[in-house]
Amino acid sequence: ETGVTQTPRHLVMGMTNKKSLKCEQHLGHNAMYWYKQSAKKPLELMFVYSLEERVENNSVPSRFSPECPNSSHLFLHLHTLQPEDSALYLCASSQGLTGITVDGYTFGSGTRLTVV
Amino acid sequence: AQKITQTQPGMFVQEKEAVTLDCTYDTSDQSYGLFWYKQPSSGEMIFLIYQGSYDEQNATEGRYSLNFQKARKSANLVISASQLGDSAMYFCAMREGRANRDDKIIFGKGTRLHILP
Repeated sequence: ETGVTQTPRHLVMGMTNKKSLKCEQHLGHNAMYWYKQSAKKPLELMFVYSLEERVENNSVPSRFSPECPNSSHLFLHLHTLQPEDSALYLCASSQGLTGITVDGYTFGSGTRLTVV
Repeated sequence: AQKITQTQPGMFVQEKEAVTLDCTYDTSDQSYGLFWYKQPSSGEMIFLIYQGSYDEQNATEGRYSLNFQKARKSANLVISASQLGDSAMYFCAMREGRANRDDKIIFGKGTRLHILP
């Protein structure tokens, strides 16, 4: 049982739909991340939140809109997506941006998104 | 430039044999950390092992060990006595940066490991 829970596990949406991905952690971590995993590509970091403040946005299109209402929850709001946005979206959390520690990230199981 | 290089897109290994998954990295930082993650078909990324750049001994966790060769910037994962459940995607990752807001982990493209019965 992972400490990071993502819902839904699978999502199929049309290009005109609006949907949201949810991530929840109760590990007491202070930082949360959204990653995109496409076939045959490295994991792409999308957003980083530390203490509920966005600290990084890696040139992600505005059709992806993150929200971090508190340190335990992270959302990714989706609207007018393109078929190339189909991917596995992984959420992760960590103790925080506190330097080199043995703590890696704790990942969720991901949401498999298909845009049709 | 790619910071983490995993040159083996796929590997097939007989059960109970040892496996070495290659990873080389590129950084100009003196202080960094290296990680290996396992991703089974369920999608979840599972943390396996960590090596700090100042650690003098190679990290070990059960059947996993990290062959750290700092001068060569190499951090290969060794799995001893492989099992069918080891079949998965394996990612090498690096955390660079100091105690600041730029501290983050970057990943290689991964190696898909198939254990044969």
